[in-house]
This record gives sequence, C-alpha cells and structure tokens, in this order.
Amino acid sequence: NAGVTQTPKFQVLKTGQSMTLQCAQDMNHNSMYWYRQDPGMGLRLIYYSASEGTTDKGEVPNGYNVSRLNKREFSLRLESAAPSQTSVYFCASSEKGPTSGNTIYFGEGSWLTVV
Amino acid sequence: AQSVAQPEDQVNVAEGNPLTVKCTYSVSGNPYLFWYVQYPNRGLQFLLKYITGDNLVKGSYGFEAEFNKSQTSFHLKKPSALVSDSALYFCAVRIPGNNRLAFGKGNQVVVIP
Repeated sequence: NAGVTQTPKFQVLKTGQSMTLQCAQDMNHNSMYWYRQDPGMGLRLIYYSASEGTTDKGEVPNGYNVSRLNKREFSLRLESAAPSQTSVYFCASSEKGPTSGNTIYFGEGSWLTVV
Repeated sequence: AQSVAQPEDQVNVAEGNPLTVKCTYSVSGNPYLFWYVQYPNRGLQFLLKYITGDNLVKGSYGFEAEFNKSQTSFHLKKPSALVSDSALYFCAVRIPGNNRLAFGKGNQVVVIP
C-alpha cells in the first residue's frame, strides 16, 4: 500500500499563477483533508471532505478551493497564488472523521513557494 | 484560547535518558488525543492515541503517553531516548462537535549522543 500520495513534491509559483495539488489514497478511507504547515504554527486545516461528494471549510480556507473527485482523490487548487500561501501542504485521510476517533494518516507533503 | 498547547519549543535530552514531551489541552467533554512525529522533510507519522479506557497508552517505537484528566494533559514519554528520536513531535486533540483535529505548534526534540 502506498498510503496517501500527493504531487507535486516541490513547486515554485509566481504571484497570481494558479495550480492544483493532487492527492490520492489507497486505504479506502471515507474522509480526506488538506492541511498547511507553517513554522511555529503547527498544522492548520484548510478544507476537508467527510465523505465522497461533500467538502467543508476548515480554519484557513481563503484563497483555496477543493474537489473530491471520487473516494480516492481530493485535490487542492490555488486560483491566484499569493506569497502568504508559501507553505508545506499535507494531504491526509482517515476511515471516518475525527469525531469517531479514527487515526488520520498523512502524505509526504508538498513544498510550495510563491514568489 | 488554544485547544492544545505544547509549552516547550525544544526539548534537549542525552541519549539513554528518559524523554518527555509535554501536551495540555483545553477542550470540554471527552477528548480524543493523538501524538504524531515528523522527521525532516517528511509527513507526519502516527505514534499513538487515547480514545477511552486505560490512561496509559503504548504506541510505536517504544513511546507511551499518559492521559491525565484532572491536569488536562497527555504527555509523551520514552524511557530511554535514541539519537534517531530527534524529530518534531505534534500533539493533537479532537474538537468536540467539530469534525477536525487541532494541532499544537510542535516540539523539536534533540537527542544528544
């Protein structure tokens, strides 16, 4: 099992450009998440999808959009990148949402720099 | 107020000595608590969690954590630290009524040979 796979690993964008981060999981999980990690701030939830066909905003959704393409895939799109979106992005998944106490499993991260 | 706090930015410990990484939480109700470890340029790896039952939880790589409801704490411990335990450690708590985890800022652990 590959677990949670996200691409690309590294990306440099110019301000105003758009891009999509791709994520896929092979654990047959229902819930998927996108987090960003910034120094000294821990991980903050951008968006999550409790199940196929649903998406909800997290703590920091502004400037992002998501698509739950199917049960396996959950993409994150930056429509017009800003330097404040320079961060490390993590996709994650769990069998059910954290209200059930399920463990969340993370991908390896995508390092995004906006110049 | 922060839902979960990791009061120390960095923990330095000599190899072979006990390692403790502190975590306190401030959510009401029955918390679900998690510990993750992150090695450089990698994703977060799950170590252990407390949902219910025995307050002492054993996890991966020899780590354990003790849930203390009266002190609202969930400290991570390892009896004898290894140099390979040097990493960033995150505590997380489920937010009741909200389908997400809140993460602490993380603790950098440095194990000195």
